[in-house]
Amino acid sequence: DIQMTQSPSSLSASVGDRVTITCRASQSISSYLNWYQQKPGKAPRLLIRGASSLESGVPSRFSGSGSETDFTLTISSLQPEDFATYSCQQSYGTPYTFGQGTKLEIK
Amino acid sequence: QVQLQESGPGLVKPSETLSLTCTVSGGSINSYYWNWIRQPPGKGLEWIGYIYYTGSTQYNPSLKSRVTISIDTSKNQFSLKLISVTAADTAVYYCARFKRGGDAFDIWGQGTMVTVSS
Repeated sequence: DIQMTQSPSSLSASVGDRVTITCRASQSISSYLNWYQQKPGKAPRLLIRGASSLESGVPSRFSGSGSETDFTLTISSLQPEDFATYSCQQSYGTPYTFGQGTKLEIK
Repeated sequence: QVQLQESGPGLVKPSETLSLTCTVSGGSINSYYWNWIRQPPGKGLEWIGYIYYTGSTQYNPSLKSRVTISIDTSKNQFSLKLISVTAADTAVYYCARFKRGGDAFDIWGQGTMVTVSS
């Protein structure tokens, strides 16, 4: 299985901050990397597919980059509604696997 | 707008079978891959498996011996059966779809909590 490791596991930040979350794959996955946002009691929401393609309706303050084994999700200016848990997922091959999640909390 | 809705018992006894159904509304079940994903309380997401609208399946090897996913295209539904459950199978179960190999899970159901307990 391809292991997905996110860092940090949790992060405290303030409204207006720029934050970056990283995701590392245990082997090359090309650009088959997706990012999801999940709020308590809700299903994950797709933010970015293919490492850098922003999903329709997702604010442009979200961006993704990377390839092969190292990827980042950046939020350029945190808004109150962005405090949530973010997870990466590889769609390179089965079994599809997710990172353990990064909980973004208000400082 | 396509929507997914999970349904099934919220409580299952140990050693019994967990059965869930996902109903697809607002669109056709054809030409997509339909997935089950679960999330134990306080933990990360685990992909269980998928079924293509043609009926072909792929399962997570960690669960393969206990899982069956089936589809009923006439009802726009697909289902999950997990046999011989234990407390470790307690989780929120989601159904989700993707369009083609390598794609992301773009639409998710709201999720349903299943507790395994006597």
